[in-house]
Amino acid sequence: QVQLQESGPGLVKPSETLSLTCAVSGYSISSGYYWGWIRQSPEKGLAWIATIYHSGDTYYNPSLKSRVTISVDTSKNQFSLRLSSVTAADTAVYYCARLAKSGYFSDYWGLGTLVTVSS
Amino acid sequence: QSVLTQPPSVSGAPGQRVTISCTGSSSNIGAGYDGNWYQLLPGTAPKLLIYGNTNRPSGVPDRFSGSKSGTSASLTITGLQAEDEADYYCQSYDSSLRCWVFGGGTKLTIL
Repeated sequence: QVQLQESGPGLVKPSETLSLTCAVSGYSISSGYYWGWIRQSPEKGLAWIATIYHSGDTYYNPSLKSRVTISVDTSKNQFSLRLSSVTAADTAVYYCARLAKSGYFSDYWGLGTLVTVSS
Repeated sequence: QSVLTQPPSVSGAPGQRVTISCTGSSSNIGAGYDGNWYQLLPGTAPKLLIYGNTNRPSGVPDRFSGSKSGTSASLTITGLQAEDEADYYCQSYDSSLRCWVFGGGTKLTIL
């Protein structure tokens, strides 16, 4: 059974960088599939942030691309998200997920982690 | 304003059937990109219910079914059960925005 677990600070100050990690168990990232981050906020609902392939190919939401970096560490079987210059609008529950081989939907999600941007 | 439009809420009594619509456009569902559906319950990981418009992952009851017509996708739940009370979201890919897009979510209330 594939399991994903998000971790990272629950509180980030405005203008700083949000950093989250997703630990994957039950499946080796290096074996394939796409991996991604999605967030949910009361104002904007669900929004896709970024996707990475096990080989390192990356795909970003154009509206966030200038501030987002997604990376993978196959040795630790985890992948990470960095979102720079955060504002209150980035306050959300952040989910990590495994994407289907097509890359067009997620078949496994983490529980999500709430990140609040506030001074 | 979500790219995909869903009704904010639907309701039904146990045993009844409900359908949740997801209206897109010519750059997403209408362009041939699949509609996918997720169930969100507080405190649990989002669950994939339907992928590729009509396909159910292993373990999803056949009470859940999906369809697509033109620029819209739909999720139908038959034989409603109390445990179905949750938020449901549709999702697709948009070729103009070049990203995944979601509906605003529909809250299902079991009467």
